[in-house]
Amino acid sequence: DVVLTQSPLSLPVTLGQPASMSCRSSHSLLHSDGNTYLNWFQQRPGQSPRRLIYKVSDRDSGVPDRFSGSGSGTDFTLRISRVEAEDVGVYYCLLGTQKTFGQGTKLEI
Amino acid sequence: EVRLVESGGGLVQPGGSLRLSCVASGFTFGNSWMTWVRQAPGKGLEWVADINQDGSDKSCLGAVRDRCTISRDNAKNSVFLQMNSLRVEDTAVYYCARDPFYGAYDFWGQGTMVTVSS
Repeated sequence: DVVLTQSPLSLPVTLGQPASMSCRSSHSLLHSDGNTYLNWFQQRPGQSPRRLIYKVSDRDSGVPDRFSGSGSGTDFTLRISRVEAEDVGVYYCLLGTQKTFGQGTKLEI
Repeated sequence: EVRLVESGGGLVQPGGSLRLSCVASGFTFGNSWMTWVRQAPGKGLEWVADINQDGSDKSCLGAVRDRCTISRDNAKNSVFLQMNSLRVEDTAVYYCARDPFYGAYDFWGQGTMVTVSS
């Protein structure tokens, strides 16, 4: 089974500064159809999860363009270009084809 | 507006059963895979079960497979999760979500809390 390892587990950031978090897989995530079904979710304190990014880098409508996803193979990254207070929460990557979540990265101001 | 509203959670004794419900609105329910994801207190997200559009393809997490049944009623825009022989470690918030493709859960409910305790 694929294991997704997120790092860091805790990410202290300064408002207005960039932030970056990693999701690494034990196996290549490239699907036989040529897509990589690596998705990112944000969970603010006390809220349900919310999808931010799907298929590595496609940003959901309504998600600020300061969020971006990248990567290929086994290494993936979620970047926030300028952190805002509303970005506080836990971020999870998910390999959709295996229904496997990473353990989460907690973004803290 | 898409809405997913879960219900059926509560306090149950170890060994008991619960049937969780999720009522959907705002999209064509019968065209969508649906999934259940849970989150134990202070822990991360864990996929539990999913079901295809007509209910002919369904699966549950290995750790709960013998105790889990997912079903749906497209006439009522509802998906259900039956959990039997509940254990303390099943204590969690259970979310239902729509799955447009391969885990791209685009809409989530508010969750329903299940507490297994004597």
